[in-house]
Amino acid sequence: EAQVTQNPRYLITVTGKKLTVTCSQNMNHEYMSWYRQDPGLGLRQIYYSMNVEVTDKGDVPEGYKVSRKEKRNFPLILESPSPNQTSLYFCASSLFWGGGLEKLFFGSGTQLSVL
Amino acid sequence: DQQVKQNSPSLSVQEGRISILNCDYTNSMFDYFLWYKKYPAEGPTFLISISSIKDKNEDGRFTVFLNKSAKHLSLHIVPSQPGDSAVYFCAASTGNQFYFGTGTSLTVIP
Repeated sequence: EAQVTQNPRYLITVTGKKLTVTCSQNMNHEYMSWYRQDPGLGLRQIYYSMNVEVTDKGDVPEGYKVSRKEKRNFPLILESPSPNQTSLYFCASSLFWGGGLEKLFFGSGTQLSVL
Repeated sequence: DQQVKQNSPSLSVQEGRISILNCDYTNSMFDYFLWYKKYPAEGPTFLISISSIKDKNEDGRFTVFLNKSAKHLSLHIVPSQPGDSAVYFCAASTGNQFYFGTGTSLTVIP
């Protein structure tokens, strides 16, 4: 089954404790991206990657890191989480062709609480 | 600044009637537009899309309309069903990024 898998689904942590949210897709998609969803703000892009070893900042990259060492994986790293990073996070992937991006496929989400 | 806007946070419609969800955008470089549906505790799922070279696209009960001169996108659901109750996000793409609206929560009343 074609899917985007995120782990964990729920995470409670404390300020300053480094964490990683994993994301994996099995559709051989070139494009992967991370979003956060906050009330009244919709989905905002954190980082995206057009292919292996190619990453770019989205609209809200501060406090986050990503890496794309393999095509299928795109982990989101919070080196020193702060309470304002409490949010619902989504990983997504898409096929990228010469004319642009296809539709995004989303994971089920990771609810992060930073105390 | 929000490039894609959904000005109605919520909408209630009777079962069987038409639901119309609206979306406005500011960037004339957007060339691909999509609608996503989201249930609680799930990720958004793709619903329907439209290229900037078209002004209408239909898929069953769902129709998306694009008015490029007004920079306006709408989703029509006919007839509305209780299972359509969800949050709907519109999105627009420039080719290497997607921009999402803030979402409209649709409630279909049986």
